Amino acid sequence: AQKITQTQPGMFVQEKEAVTLDCTYDTSDPSYGLFWYKQPSSGEMIFLIYQGSYDQQNATEGRYSLNFQKARKSANLVISASQLGDSAMYFCAMRGPGATNKLIFGTGTLLAVQP
Amino acid sequence: GAVVSQHPSRVICKSGTSVKIECRSLDFQATTMFWYRQFPKQSLMLMATSNEGSKATYEQGVEKDKFLINHASLTLSTLTVTSAHPEDSSFYICSASSGEETQYFGPGTRLLVL
Repeated sequence: AQKITQTQPGMFVQEKEAVTLDCTYDTSDPSYGLFWYKQPSSGEMIFLIYQGSYDQQNATEGRYSLNFQKARKSANLVISASQLGDSAMYFCAMRGPGATNKLIFGTGTLLAVQP
Repeated sequence: GAVVSQHPSRVICKSGTSVKIECRSLDFQATTMFWYRQFPKQSLMLMATSNEGSKATYEQGVEKDKFLINHASLTLSTLTVTSAHPEDSSFYICSASSGEETQYFGPGTRLLVL
């Protein structure tokens, strides 16, 4: 069965510093996709970054980068130069088995950026 | 691009009544829409997957007669919570996909059943 694990329930980071949010996954499917979403207190889920299992390079989107280590089955999110507005819940997700495009979510990490 | 709207954003209703939540993709055609439920301080739980023009596929444990899903067009899906009870109070959020990898989420609907 597919599974996403986020072991950090909460993280603090100083403004302007970088932070890494951990995500490990388990799947027997050779083709899969990994996602990170941000959920501020208002509730909406904001898509941040995507990594395909066959992508050769780590995905980057502005201040977000995904440290994809396939052998370790990890897909950590790195946020550089943290801003106060980055304070939110962050969810790692994996595309489910088959062609359904269903997402399986981790339990999330609450990030607090301190001034 | 890839904007998904949801209406209403908040709703309070009396126990026993039905509530309809709309999910719209504003700038793309959504061949597939997903409905999730999220309890406070918990992760998202997929309720059902709907494809335009066909019946929704419900996840195990989700009552299809209680949570009616209709995906009538490529831009609109609705979730109706029938005969709502206080335990149905939750945050309901939809997402839409054009068939590519990424799902884009709506802003969510907070339902409170009194």
